[in-house]
Amino acid sequence: NAGVMQNPRHLVRRRGQEARLRCSPMKGHSHVYWYRQLPEEGLKFMVYLQKENIIDESGMPKERFSAEFPKEGPSILRIQQVVRGDSAAYFCASSPPADRNGGYTFGSGTRLTVV
Amino acid sequence: AQKVTQAQTEISVVEKEDVTLDCVYETRDTTYYLFWYKQPPSGELVFLIRRNSFDEQNEISGRYSWNFQKSTSSFNFTITASQVVDSAVYFCALSDPSSTLGRLYFGRGTQLTVWP
Repeated sequence: NAGVMQNPRHLVRRRGQEARLRCSPMKGHSHVYWYRQLPEEGLKFMVYLQKENIIDESGMPKERFSAEFPKEGPSILRIQQVVRGDSAAYFCASSPPADRNGGYTFGSGTRLTVV
Repeated sequence: AQKVTQAQTEISVVEKEDVTLDCVYETRDTTYYLFWYKQPPSGELVFLIRRNSFDEQNEISGRYSWNFQKSTSSFNFTITASQVVDSAVYFCALSDPSSTLGRLYFGRGTQLTVWP
């Protein structure tokens, strides 16, 4: 049973480009969470999605960031027109419907570097 | 609002020493969960423990032990006989008060370095 798969592991983008981060949840998990870890800081919640629904996006920056979790395929975190301040590690986690009390599994993260 | 404080930014010990990582939390909720995660130099997040707010029993798992004290809002983590492989950043986290959301609030982490 594969864990939460994130790709790519490392992503380099020039300022102004778009970044797409992918997350495939564990089998049977229909809840996905995205967190961002800025250098020297803990993880900060960004968004919580279920299949085809955004449940809580209160941690997402108001502009340039979007997330989706389609009926088929991985969850995508999209950052448009990236800036240097977007450089961070982005972690995805998934949980089954029956356990939403933080009992989820994290992926290995995507390290985004904006140059 | 939920808040987690890990006052120790960095700790250095020599192998075989015991070390305790502190975690203090704030919440107005009566039902919540507390967590510890380990982030080794490779960068992934490794789940260590989840503790329900109604269960104040201390827990031991091998060289790891956790001391949960509701009276002081603390959930401290002790590594006995530390090893070089324990070197990592350790995060304490607190769950969202609404059980339907599953959001976690993380502390800033404690960088533990174990020297040979």
